[in-house]
Amino acid sequence: AQTVTQSQPEMSVQEAETVTLSCTYDTSESDYYLFWYKQPPSRQMILVIRQEAYKQQNATENRFSVNFQKAAKSFSLKISDSQLGDAAMYFCAYRRAYNAGNMLTFGGGTRLMVKP
Amino acid sequence: GAGVSQSPSNKVTEKGKDVELRCDPISGHTALYWYRQRLGQGLEFLIYFQGNSAPDKSGLPSDRFSAERTGESVSTLTIQRTQQEDSAVYLCASSSPGLAVDTQYFGPGTRLTVL
Repeated sequence: AQTVTQSQPEMSVQEAETVTLSCTYDTSESDYYLFWYKQPPSRQMILVIRQEAYKQQNATENRFSVNFQKAAKSFSLKISDSQLGDAAMYFCAYRRAYNAGNMLTFGGGTRLMVKP
Repeated sequence: GAGVSQSPSNKVTEKGKDVELRCDPISGHTALYWYRQRLGQGLEFLIYFQGNSAPDKSGLPSDRFSAERTGESVSTLTIQRTQQEDSAVYLCASSSPGLAVDTQYFGPGTRLTVL
């Protein structure tokens, strides 16, 4: 079974600064997808960024980028120029690449606080 | 059109009662998922529907939990004889698996409190 671990229960960053959230995972498969979701107090899970394991290039979405290290099974999220609206819970998630078992496996989350 | 919707937003019930939670997926999305999120924790998979195929129930924690979905529309998650340990946020997501990387879009969840 796959597992996802987020070792930082809480992180804090100053507005306009950069912060990196860590995620490691365990799988025996070679093809899979990884995601970062944001969950503000409204409870709505919002997709931040996703990465296909077969792609060597790290995904980037505006101020959000990932550092995907396949051999190390590491998938960290970097938020640049942090904004007050970035404050939320962030969840790392794993999904198998094939149709069988499309459910997401989530880590325990990291609460990000942004200081003005 | 609109995103995934769920009702009710909050539900308070007494131990031993049955509850039904509803999920309306995004129109056209053939896949629908239920997850449970206990306080301060990540999401746990419960059940997965894909079109008319038999659902994947591998995440249901006990036989008190069941879910139905008619075609590619609304789904209901039923918890019978609720226990205090069932208190959690129940999140629904839908996706369109025909895409290369289908993204799951989540609803706002139902917060269930069992007294």
